[in-house]
Amino acid sequence: DTAVSQTPKYLVTQMGNDKSIKCEQNLGHDTMYWYKQDSKKFLKIMFSYNNKELIINETVPNRFSPKSPDKAHLNLHINSLELGDSAVYFCASSQDQDSQRGFGSGTRLTVV
Amino acid sequence: EDQVTQSPEALRLQEGESSSLNCSYTVSGLRGLFWYRQDPGKGPEFLFTLYSAGEEKEKERLKATLTKKESFLHITAPKPEDSATYLCAVQAGGYGQNFVFGPGTRLSVLP
Repeated sequence: DTAVSQTPKYLVTQMGNDKSIKCEQNLGHDTMYWYKQDSKKFLKIMFSYNNKELIINETVPNRFSPKSPDKAHLNLHINSLELGDSAVYFCASSQDQDSQRGFGSGTRLTVV
Repeated sequence: EDQVTQSPEALRLQEGESSSLNCSYTVSGLRGLFWYRQDPGKGPEFLFTLYSAGEEKEKERLKATLTKKESFLHITAPKPEDSATYLCAVQAGGYGQNFVFGPGTRLSVLP
């Protein structure tokens, strides 16, 4: 059973569209995250979220918004997509902020 | 600002040729240093966590060590299946955003 799963694996869309990426974890972890990996392979935190607190990386445009229907899910909504949003987006989870993150397999977003 | 660098950027080894990867960090109040392995098209896979200088962890052909300023990932007698990008990350003294990844080292092990 996949611990952290995200869908879709590939997403190709036009500029200006709104899209969502879904993430689910079955580890019972309290904290979930979204990371962006750019073309240079740098992994950068976008959001961390538990059921009490959302922490947003201040460099993330407000077109990106995480939504958590419950503890096991953290979806990523992106409005008005831009070419520069093309990247691989990873969902992750951990028991707490100091623990290792378990990652999903990534969603490759291509904006054309 | 917390910073993590890794060297070399890329490394090619012959099968059985041991070597080390370096992760250097400048952070305020290290809470943990993490090593991950990432295969193409996949998410990072957790390898080790180190918490204090002098600590060592081993797993098969991999051994991670930690000093006050850097960590090494030693690969002994590597095999082609060890080929991957190895990422280190540090959890620094703050909360939430202070989990910073380095740029990674791309390791290729040739048969």
